[in-house]
Amino acid sequence: QQQVKQSPQSLIVQKGGISIINCAYENTAFDYFPWYQQFPGKGPALLIAIRPDVSEKKEGRFTISFNKSAKQFSLHIMDSQPGDSATYFCAAALPPYNDMRFGAGTRLTVKP
Amino acid sequence: DSGVTQTPKHLITATGQRVTLRCSPRSGDLSVYWYQQSLDQGLQFLIQYYNGEERAKGNILERFSAQQFPDLHSELNLSSLELGDSALYFCASSVGGHRKIYNEQFFGPGTRLTVL
Repeated sequence: QQQVKQSPQSLIVQKGGISIINCAYENTAFDYFPWYQQFPGKGPALLIAIRPDVSEKKEGRFTISFNKSAKQFSLHIMDSQPGDSATYFCAAALPPYNDMRFGAGTRLTVKP
Repeated sequence: DSGVTQTPKHLITATGQRVTLRCSPRSGDLSVYWYQQSLDQGLQFLIQYYNGEERAKGNILERFSAQQFPDLHSELNLSSLELGDSALYFCASSVGGHRKIYNEQFFGPGTRLTVL
């Protein structure tokens, strides 16, 4: 049972375009929402994260939008670059020990 | 490089066998998490240890067990292996298990297990 639902499964974007990945959750006990980036053959690496008391967080070209009432959050990648091509996972962490539940992942391809 | 090391990198074994995966956390990290990544199930949380004690359990099968040793390295033991256990197994570590602020989890490179 997937506790965090992620879409789309794959995404193809042109260089310079905006990539948008969406996630939804049911468990209101989640209190931290990180996004991870994974390149082939590597472990996931934290990209950006948000707490539910904040509606938006921006770090460089990456922005998380968070809608607590809808229990949804999304990752926006502005000015997408071929180097952004990777698999992106949203996650939700449970207190008090931060064990995470991951979305199924989105394979992003940015075409030059 | 996250600072988390996992051995072995690859493991090929037969059904019914038992294997042990090893993880060394980043220096100073007390928490270790284990995850299973498969094509059909995605990344699944298995279990977490903090300073030698089990703290949280996820979708870990009874055939699987883990422990964290006094030097903080952790081992994941998988027994009576089935074809469906073939997956990437990741270990992650973080500073603390009980937080006032979220502690980032740093993932190792993973162990690819193939059960034939």
